[in-house]
Amino acid sequence: NAGVTQTPKFQVLKTGQSMTLQCAQDMNHNSMYWYRQDPGMGLRLIYYSASEGTTDKGEVPNGYNVSRLNKREFSLRLESAAPSQTSVYFCASTRSPAPPYEQYFGPGTRLTVT
Amino acid sequence: GQQLNQSPQSMFIQEGEDVSMNCTSSSIFNTWLWYKQDPGEGPVLLIALYKAGELTSNGRLTAQFGITRKDSFLNISASIPSDVGIYFCAGQTGANNLFFGTGTRLTVIP
Repeated sequence: NAGVTQTPKFQVLKTGQSMTLQCAQDMNHNSMYWYRQDPGMGLRLIYYSASEGTTDKGEVPNGYNVSRLNKREFSLRLESAAPSQTSVYFCASTRSPAPPYEQYFGPGTRLTVT
Repeated sequence: GQQLNQSPQSMFIQEGEDVSMNCTSSSIFNTWLWYKQDPGEGPVLLIALYKAGELTSNGRLTAQFGITRKDSFLNISASIPSDVGIYFCAGQTGANNLFFGTGTRLTVIP
């Protein structure tokens, strides 16, 4: 039982390049989330998927797209990376829709855009 | 997004000392969560609080959900070196609305 897994762990991109961050969970959770974490700040929600087949914007969605591939997998895509997207990206999941809503996090992807 | 003020920003303590940190908001939350993040890892859930006034323990950790629903605190008793890390509070209004504090960085000096 691996929980939430993310790939890759590290990535360096040049400005304008694209990439997809992968996330999978094996806890049979319904809801999945993508956050970014910047120095000195808490995590901020980029996008979420309340259930398979649905996605919604969070607090900071600009420059990102997401795909809920199936119940297990939720990917985050940067179409044209910018230096402002240098950050650590975390995927999370929760059982939802009923309480408790505790979110469980993956180990993160450290992205640098030069 | 919602603003959660977490204090202190950092703490340096001797091994064996007790630690207290808190989180305040101008908004009301239905759930308060406390997470710990080790270097290079994702946040790990420590304690979840669901009712105003609730006091919950997990080993040496104790957390309380403030009666106004706008604050929460976390205490760690008899700190040990492995308590080092960043502690985050998070307030939640529903399944998809989780807002994080800026973190308290804890250093334990052996």
